[in-house]
Parts: sequence; structure tokens; C-alpha cells
Amino acid sequence: QKEVEQNSGPLSVPEGAIASLNCTYSDRGSQSFFWYRQYSGKSPELIMFIYSNGDKEDGRFTAQLNKASQYVSLLIRDSQPSDSATYLCAVVFDMIKAAGNKLTFGGGTRVLVKP
Amino acid sequence: KAGVTQTPRYLIKTRGQQVTLSCSPISGHRSVSWYQQTPGQGLQFLFEYFSETQRNKGNFPGRFSGRQFSNSRSEMNVSTLELGDSALYLCASSKPRTSGGLSTDTQYFGPGTRLTVL
Repeated sequence: QKEVEQNSGPLSVPEGAIASLNCTYSDRGSQSFFWYRQYSGKSPELIMFIYSNGDKEDGRFTAQLNKASQYVSLLIRDSQPSDSATYLCAVVFDMIKAAGNKLTFGGGTRVLVKP
Repeated sequence: KAGVTQTPRYLIKTRGQQVTLSCSPISGHRSVSWYQQTPGQGLQFLFEYFSETQRNKGNFPGRFSGRQFSNSRSEMNVSTLELGDSALYLCASSKPRTSGGLSTDTQYFGPGTRLTVL
């Protein structure tokens, strides 16, 4: 069973601070990694994807991937109350592209940004 | 560009009934995936359709089925509804992209259909 693990939280962060979220995955052969944000009662919204080792920055968000250690993280800089949401890590395990597009999700980390 | 649309947004059914949910992908997207989200199990993959063919399937019973039409619109059907089928059903669409020599499909989710089974 291929798995994606996240700390469920809540992760409480003061406004303006950095929120650090972690995600580990079980399959070393995984290629594609995604972070989604989900507000209560809404559908997941893509924040960013990463597939190469290292850092990828997009605005206040930075995704970090370490395939050797099988973890991917998300940093949210200058956290705002509007960042309060559940953050979902998702992995595509199948290396064979023809096998399809199945996302395996972690359980999500709830983030609370306090003013 | 219009996003993924799903209809209906809310449904209330009783046990034993069947239900059909519809998803229209983003224009130009040929892959449609379906997911079920519940508080207990989180987000779980149901199946994916690409060019009218089921390309991948999750671990759900045969009561869950789907199809895709030539315009990439997709439907999923759940027969003989059970209480445990109450969930948010999400559809996601994607189109293949290649970057740095790797193919990676980014999935964009619709608003979901909230199904309640009584």
C-alpha cells in the first residue's frame, strides 16, 4: 500500500511568521508531488507542484523536495489569517506515464494563522 | 478560462437508490479523475478517464462506475447507495504537460458534489 503521511495539526502560527509543513511518502520511485490548499467546505486548490530535488518558490510559498529522504515540505512565508486552511500533500506514484494520473493524498495538515 | 464544473452541487438520496454526477473539464483537458472525500478516509481516488477510456481505477466496489464522452465530459454513477457513500465527490481535470523531460499532469478540481444518503 503506497502511502502519504502528514501531521494532522493543527499547526498554529502567528501572523507574519513562517509555517512549515511536512509530508513523507512511501514509494521511492515517486515522481510528481503536489500541494493543495482546501478551505473548509471548499474543494482543493492547487498551490504548486514539484518534481526535482531542491526548492521551488512561488510567491510566499516554497516547496522543498528530498527524494533520498522521501519527503516534501511546504513553507509559507509571512503567514496571513487567510492562509488558515487544510494543506494537502499529493503524490503520483506511478512512474509509467501510461498508467495514468492517480493522486494519492495525505490526510492534510490544518493550519491556523492567528492575528 | 472557465474552471471545472460539477452538477449538481448538492444531492440527497435514500439508501438503495442510484445517483449520477456530472463533470465538465476545463476546455482542452482530456483527462478527468474522480475522488471521494470523507472526514474519516480523506481524499481517495475513484477512477480516471482519458479519451473515453478508463485509464486507472481505485479500490472501490463495482457499485461505483463512470464514463467519459467524446467532448471529455464525464459522469460517475453510484448504484444501490449506502449510508457510507455520503461524501463530497470531486472531479479533477488535467492535460499532459512536459517540463524538464518529465511528463507531469497537474489536476484542477471542481467545486464538488455533496452527496447525502439517508
